Amino acid sequence: AQSVSQHNHHVILSEAASLELGCNYSYGGTVNLFWYVQYPGQHLQLLLKYFSGDPLVKGIKGFEAEFIKSKFSFNLRKPSVQWSDTAEYFCAVNAPGGYQKVTFGIGTKLQVIP
Amino acid sequence: EAGVAQSPRYKIIEKRQSVAFWCNPISGHATLYWYQQILGQGPKLLIQFQNNGVVDDSQLPKDRFSAERLKGVDSTLKIQPAKLEDSAVYLCASSTYRGQGNSYEQYFGPGTRLTVT
Repeated sequence: AQSVSQHNHHVILSEAASLELGCNYSYGGTVNLFWYVQYPGQHLQLLLKYFSGDPLVKGIKGFEAEFIKSKFSFNLRKPSVQWSDTAEYFCAVNAPGGYQKVTFGIGTKLQVIP
Repeated sequence: EAGVAQSPRYKIIEKRQSVAFWCNPISGHATLYWYQQILGQGPKLLIQFQNNGVVDDSQLPKDRFSAERLKGVDSTLKIQPAKLEDSAVYLCASSTYRGQGNSYEQYFGPGTRLTVT
């Protein structure tokens, strides 16, 4: 069975600081990887996704993530955070094939201080 | 396009009462999901429908939870009787289906926040 670990549950950064949120998954085969974001009072929405190809994936609002297969990791990065990035971030994984059940991590709450 | 609709947005009930949630997915999305998100945790899949058939309900507490998706469009999730530990946000999501082995993304509704007292 697949699983996802997010190492940082609560991160506090000042504006303009760089961000890296860790995500490791457990699954032996090919995977699809996602980062979802939930801004305060809003729906959970897709930030970026990796299905295949270039392991460096760029998403909305200047976010990117790198898939490192050897480390089973899919860390989320942003070079300079803004106050508006304050949100909860979820890493998720599914295995292609079948009906593609998605497994979510526990989430990381990011607070950006102006 | 219109997003995933859910109602009600908030519900407070006493333990042992029953409650029902409704979800209307994005038009044309064949796959519908119900998730439970307990405070401090990530969403946990309860049940997944492909059109009006269930393809995964392995984590649905079937002694008290039930769900249906008549006509393959909107869906209801019911809890009867509710327990204190059912307090959570219930999320509905939908996605297109491009055949087994193909990849997709899910679109989430706003969720229903259930408080059981």
